[in-house]
Amino acid sequence: AQTVTQSQPEMSVQEAETVTLSCTYDTSESDYYLFWYKQPPSRQMILVIRQEAYKQQNATENRFSVNFQKAAKSFSLKISDSQLGDAAMYFCAYIQGGSEKLVFGKGTKLTVNP
Amino acid sequence: GAVVSQHPSWVICKSGTSVKIECRSLDFQATTMFWYRQFPKQSLMLMATSNEGSKATYEQGVEKDKFLINHASLTLSTLTVTSAHPEDSSFYICSARRLAEGRNIQYFGAGTRLSVL
Repeated sequence: AQTVTQSQPEMSVQEAETVTLSCTYDTSESDYYLFWYKQPPSRQMILVIRQEAYKQQNATENRFSVNFQKAAKSFSLKISDSQLGDAAMYFCAYIQGGSEKLVFGKGTKLTVNP
Repeated sequence: GAVVSQHPSWVICKSGTSVKIECRSLDFQATTMFWYRQFPKQSLMLMATSNEGSKATYEQGVEKDKFLINHASLTLSTLTVTSAHPEDSSFYICSARRLAEGRNIQYFGAGTRLSVL
């Protein structure tokens, strides 16, 4: 079964600085997708970024970018110029191609210090 | 972006009563919706996959008679917690898969906090 591991239960960053959240996954499949979701205190899950496994280029969305290392099965999220509104739980998630089930990691709580 | 509405956002009920939670995709059609349960400070646990016009598929360990799911249209799925007990108190979140973007993006509702007294 596929698993997603987030080894950092909590992280903190100073406002305007950069932080990287780690995620590793385990799969024997070649067709899959990876996601980072953000869950702020409101608890609304928000899609931050998506990566297709077949794409070598790392996905980028404004201040958010990923470092996708397929051979190492690593999918880290980099947040640049951190803002107070970035404070949230961040969940890494995996979905196998042809499947509809998202597999979530346990999450990383990010605190942004002013 | 795609909008998924979940209602109510918070419900308090007495033990033994039933509670219905609605999940609507407001600006797209969703043949598949998902129901998750989230315990405090934990990740999301998939409870069931709701398919429009057919029976829901429940994850192992989830009681289908306790958590009734109805996906009557392409924009609405409901979760009914029957004969609720305090141990059913939790945060329930739905998501919907958007057809236009293929199989692999789910948009989430804002969740429902259920408190059973």
